[in-house]
Amino acid sequence: GAVVSQHPSWVICKSGTSVKIECRSLDFQATTMFWYRQFPKQSLMLMATSNEGSKATYEQGVEKDKFLINHASLTLSTLTVTSAHPEDSSFYICSAPILGLYEQYFGPGTRLTVT
Amino acid sequence: DQQVKQNSPSLSVQEGRISILNCDYTNSMFDYFLWYKKYPAEGPTFLISISSIKDKNEDGRFTVFLNKSAKHLSLHIVPSQPGDSAVYFCAASRGQAGNMLTFGGGTRLMVKP
Repeated sequence: GAVVSQHPSWVICKSGTSVKIECRSLDFQATTMFWYRQFPKQSLMLMATSNEGSKATYEQGVEKDKFLINHASLTLSTLTVTSAHPEDSSFYICSAPILGLYEQYFGPGTRLTVT
Repeated sequence: DQQVKQNSPSLSVQEGRISILNCDYTNSMFDYFLWYKKYPAEGPTFLISISSIKDKNEDGRFTVFLNKSAKHLSLHIVPSQPGDSAVYFCAASRGQAGNMLTFGGGTRLMVKP
């Protein structure tokens, strides 16, 4: 099946710093990628839709100035958590659909811990 | 308002028996449904899906049933294996392929040997 990678798999950072998470589709092109966030024992909450060549679309309640998304190419989207706070600690997962298919392929996730 | 709900947070089943995971949705605009399996600290893995024009889709040990009138779908795993132990999420999509997915809260399945 299609492969989506994320980097890093885990990161610890101090409050006030910024962290960049990369999401890559390894064997297919993705004009759209999705960023999710999962809190412990909870569901995946869609944060934003990343669009290649245009601005990301953010879900209600997600601060676009805090969670910067850049879809730099057809295989790469990045999520930057700016001025991170402990409450930003979470599991961040990206996904990408293959053109014409409903199924989305998910990356392995990134565990962010803000101290 | 949760549009996709999985009312059972956990389910325990004996190896070899059938596992039935349920999912309800409220948005009648959803027209495609998917089941994902997730292990801790990993991304979800696609299992099986069903279009709203069908009421059943089968793939090996996994079968998904859709009852549109009841806005209910279920995933049947038979026979259940210990390796099936994971969190299962149902998800729904509307409109064209590639649109966002709305996820249920997940059900943790434990298959006991």
